[in-house]
Amino acid sequence: EAGVAQSPRYKIIEKRQSVAFWCNPISGHATLYWYQQILGQGPKLLIQFQNNGVVDDSQLPKDRFSAERLKGVDSTLKIQPAKLEDSAVYLCASSSHTGTYFGPGTRLTVL
Amino acid sequence: AQTVTQSQPEMSVQEAETVTLSCTYDTSESDYYLFWYKQPPSRQMILVIRQEAYKQQNATENRFSVNFQKAAKSFSLKISDSQLGDAAMYFCASDAGGTSYGKLTFGQGTILTVHP
Repeated sequence: EAGVAQSPRYKIIEKRQSVAFWCNPISGHATLYWYQQILGQGPKLLIQFQNNGVVDDSQLPKDRFSAERLKGVDSTLKIQPAKLEDSAVYLCASSSHTGTYFGPGTRLTVL
Repeated sequence: AQTVTQSQPEMSVQEAETVTLSCTYDTSESDYYLFWYKQPPSRQMILVIRQEAYKQQNATENRFSVNFQKAAKSFSLKISDSQLGDAAMYFCASDAGGTSYGKLTFGQGTILTVHP
């Protein structure tokens, strides 16, 4: 079984630029999550999708962050414009009855 | 709301010996799940072990086992016969089950060093 796929793995941008991350969950997993992990901390949930609908986006900074999962499979997370404090690893995850499984993450550096 | 606390920022163990990582949590839910994840330097989060709160029996996965004390809201991870490849950051996590199943709240993490 293929795991959660994410791209790119690394991204370096300057502040005020835009960036987008892509995620493909494990096949058959209806629920998809985006987490932000700042260095030295545990991941924090940004948004949860069930199929193509948003279940929880209460922690998503909506003035600059957006996410979509149009066909209920792949998802993209966008930051526009980026700030220095957005430097973090962005983890995508999907879940089934056996647990929540994470992708390799995208390490974002904002200069 | 759920909270998860890991009070040990760092732990170390000699290869082949046993180490226990501590975790406490707080939740108002009656149906919830607890997890331990391993995160090596690659930053990939790897599920180590899972415990359903309604099960009294402690979960085990090969060299990894948990001590789940529901009344004390404690969930520690024991790693037996430690190997060099066990070195990583370990996160304790919980979710509220039901419609919130899979939505995780993480602790601060414990860095585990394994000495040869």
